[in-house]
Amino acid sequence: NAGVTQTPKFRVLKTGQSMTLLCAQDMNHEYMYWYRQDPGMGLRLIHYSVGEGTTAKGEVPDGYNVSRLKKQNFLLGLESAAPSQTSVYFCASSYRGPLGSNTEAFFGQGTRLTVV
Amino acid sequence: AQSVTQLDSHVSVSEGTPVLLRCNYSSSYSPSLFWYVQHPNKGLQLLLKYTSAATLVKGINGFEAEFKKSETSFHLTKPSAHMSDAAEYFCVVSPNSGYSTLTFGKGTMLLVSP
Repeated sequence: NAGVTQTPKFRVLKTGQSMTLLCAQDMNHEYMYWYRQDPGMGLRLIHYSVGEGTTAKGEVPDGYNVSRLKKQNFLLGLESAAPSQTSVYFCASSYRGPLGSNTEAFFGQGTRLTVV
Repeated sequence: AQSVTQLDSHVSVSEGTPVLLRCNYSSSYSPSLFWYVQHPNKGLQLLLKYTSAATLVKGINGFEAEFKKSETSFHLTKPSAHMSDAAEYFCVVSPNSGYSTLTFGKGTMLLVSP
């Protein structure tokens, strides 16, 4: 199994450009997440989804949009990139456990985005 | 609401000596707790998890952690460090309630010297 696959792995954008990051999982997980990782900040949740057709805001959603049209895919969009969005982005997915709680999350390998 | 505090941003040990990485959490509900490891320029790998079963949890590569409800702690330990353990470690909390998310600590960098 491929697990969680992110594309692209690296990208350089100019300020104001737009792009979409794709996350695909083949484990039939209900929950999917987008995090960003910055030095000394750990991973911060951008947006998440608890099922096909649903999305919700996380801790740092401004400047990003998401869509989950299919259960296996979760897209993260940047409409007008800013240098503050330079970061490493991780997608993750997890099962919905008992009472709707989380099981452990499985992570993709990350996308390193630089906005100049 | 939930939060995680990793008490040390960096921990330095010598190879063969014990490792202790400290984590305190807060959660409005009974939590699930996880430790993840990230080697340089790599993704995140699950080390171990606590999900309300045994309070002493054993993980991969000789790591273990103990859930202490009275202290709201979930510290990670290993009896003897190996050079390959050098990495960043993240403590993660998720409350056992509907549609909960995973909240990460800021990470602890483990440095292992020969």
